[in-house]
Amino acid sequence: GDSVTQMEGPVTLSEEAFLTINCTYTATGYPSLFWYVQYPGEGLQLLLKATKADDKGSNKGFEATYRKETTSFHLEKGSVQVSDSAVYFCALSRLSDYKLSFGAGTTVTVRA
Amino acid sequence: NAGVTQTPKFQVLKTGQSMTLQCAQDMNHNSMYWYRQDPGMGLRLIYYSASEGTTDKGEVPNGYNVSRLNKREFSLRLESAAPSQTSVYFCASSENHSMNTEAFFGQGTRLTVV
Repeated sequence: GDSVTQMEGPVTLSEEAFLTINCTYTATGYPSLFWYVQYPGEGLQLLLKATKADDKGSNKGFEATYRKETTSFHLEKGSVQVSDSAVYFCALSRLSDYKLSFGAGTTVTVRA
Repeated sequence: NAGVTQTPKFQVLKTGQSMTLQCAQDMNHNSMYWYRQDPGMGLRLIYYSASEGTTDKGEVPNGYNVSRLNKREFSLRLESAAPSQTSVYFCASSENHSMNTEAFFGQGTRLTVV
């Protein structure tokens, strides 16, 4: 079935460092892809999304490009801040029934 | 801007007890969902309601029941709690049940079954 695999954490960075979180997917066809973020003590919120191949989603300095050749949707940010400390989830929306399938989540901690 | 509101935020149950988790959204969304979050497993869908009056099983429905009370409210019931149901539960809603629609999440309920 459709699934998402994302890099395991935790990831610890210093402020202004470059962040990459790898995400690959397995799916029949071309699902929509999402990154959700969960700040401490809160629910998940949508960070960005891409709905077709080669689309680039971007928000709050984060970017991810839908790569069908490598079935990937890696999340990047050029210069992280302490406020970016959170858990990041990659997800896809299955074509068969539109349900979201989530990766395991990657915990990111940014130190001042 | 309430969004999706869940109650309670924390709960401790004894094995065999029952409880209902409440969820309400004020965005006039058609679709609502219940997920559980466990370490290393991401979020898994328990039940969902694509529209008012319908409910369907997700990936892990065993041990749970749901009620879509009206368009705003979607409750999750544990009839006889088990330690394996210790988890963080999230309610979510979306405008409709389709491929590109953003889901909005509540703050979660942390449930411990002892």
